[in-house]
Amino acid sequence: DTEVTQTPKHLVMGMTNKKSLKCEQHMGHRAMYWYKQKAKKPPELMFVYSYEKLSINESVPSRFSPECPNSSLLNLHLHALQPEDSALYLCASSQVGGSPAGELFFGEGSRLTVL
Amino acid sequence: SQQGEEDPQALSIQEGENATMNCSYKTSINNLQWYRQNSGRGLVHLILIRSNEREKHSGRLRVTLDTSKKSSSLLITASRAADTASYFCAPRVTGGGNKLTFGTGTQLKVEL
Repeated sequence: DTEVTQTPKHLVMGMTNKKSLKCEQHMGHRAMYWYKQKAKKPPELMFVYSYEKLSINESVPSRFSPECPNSSLLNLHLHALQPEDSALYLCASSQVGGSPAGELFFGEGSRLTVL
Repeated sequence: SQQGEEDPQALSIQEGENATMNCSYKTSINNLQWYRQNSGRGLVHLILIRSNEREKHSGRLRVTLDTSKKSSSLLITASRAADTASYFCAPRVTGGGNKLTFGTGTQLKVEL
């Protein structure tokens, strides 16, 4: 199974809502990632979890709150977002270090619209 | 922060032609990876070249790496309409742990 599954595929939320994006993988990968991608731009790294611990936070605003409840699941909790946070949110997973050195497997993304 | 910059930003070719896109990066790397993204979809890993390799092939893909110039190129031979996508390089920086950032990308359009 080489799939990374993201839900929901589409999400529309108001600025006062609280919602969550979910990501699941069953490849035994111990590194999981959140990226944000605006139209016609490259994905921007937000967070990296390694062995279920947050290892990288790229100075992301606190209205985005990641959570890694176990080695297969990654969540991104959203609260008090702004319209400029509308984007495609991509989850990825990889082996931690080792060989091959960390090819990333991506989900299809969650398209978020903030009204 | 972005580690890679690609050129051209956009490339339009006819089916059957070759497509070459280039990536320049800033610091020492362990490897450099190339990914493809179809419009609005997730990224798909294409090929990885290690810092001690100079050239690598996978099907119609050929990747070169010149660490002295901090640059890499991706060649797609005999392109097909299905190759239409955005292509991103991702240099894995030495000492960067699991951090992987993407270059600015090349939008490739292959016309029939």
